Amino acid sequence: DAGVIQSPRHEVTEMGQEVTLRCKPISGHNSLFWYRQTMMRGLELLIYFNNNVPIDDSGMPEDRFSAKMPNASFSTLKIQPSEPRDSAVYFCASSLALGQGNTGELFFGEGSRLTVL
Amino acid sequence: QKEVEQDPGPLSVPEGAIVSLNCTYSNSAFQYFMWYRQYSRKGPELLMYTYSSGNKEDGRFTAQVDKSSKYISLFIRDSQPSDSATYLCAMRGTSYGKLTFGQGTILTVHP
Repeated sequence: DAGVIQSPRHEVTEMGQEVTLRCKPISGHNSLFWYRQTMMRGLELLIYFNNNVPIDDSGMPEDRFSAKMPNASFSTLKIQPSEPRDSAVYFCASSLALGQGNTGELFFGEGSRLTVL
Repeated sequence: QKEVEQDPGPLSVPEGAIVSLNCTYSNSAFQYFMWYRQYSRKGPELLMYTYSSGNKEDGRFTAQVDKSSKYISLFIRDSQPSDSATYLCAMRGTSYGKLTFGQGTILTVHP
């Protein structure tokens, strides 16, 4: 089975440019998470979708960040305009939602490493 | 204060050593406790999963949860160079999928 697929794996851009990160969750999973990982702050939850609906976006740092999930097999995280402090590894993860007899284990993609110059 | 505290290390041990990794937390609503392992330039993968207090063993790995002290541990016996990775504790409550992660501990097992 294919895991969570993220693209691009690496992105280098200049300050002020728009960045779009993409994620394809595992088929059949109905929860999707975007995390950001830095050395200083570790893994931080940005936003969480359940059945394509955003449930908790309290981790989105500011209005420059937006996320969408137009269907069950695709999600995007957009940063506009990007800033150097946005440099991090962005992970997408998917899971079966709680209440379906499962542990809620998160399955992570390999991440998108973003560098904003 | 962070909800979950984890010493980032780094921790360096010789092959065959027993490794102890720990996290403390402040949210008494946390009921599910997990350890994820993350190899360099990869995403985290679930290693151990525990519900409420107690111990769980899986091969060379043992997870312990002490809810009264709000303290969880992961022990690795007979550590191997292939165990070199970042270990992240994670936890959540009962009704919400969000996981709160610790900072991660970088472990190196040298031959």
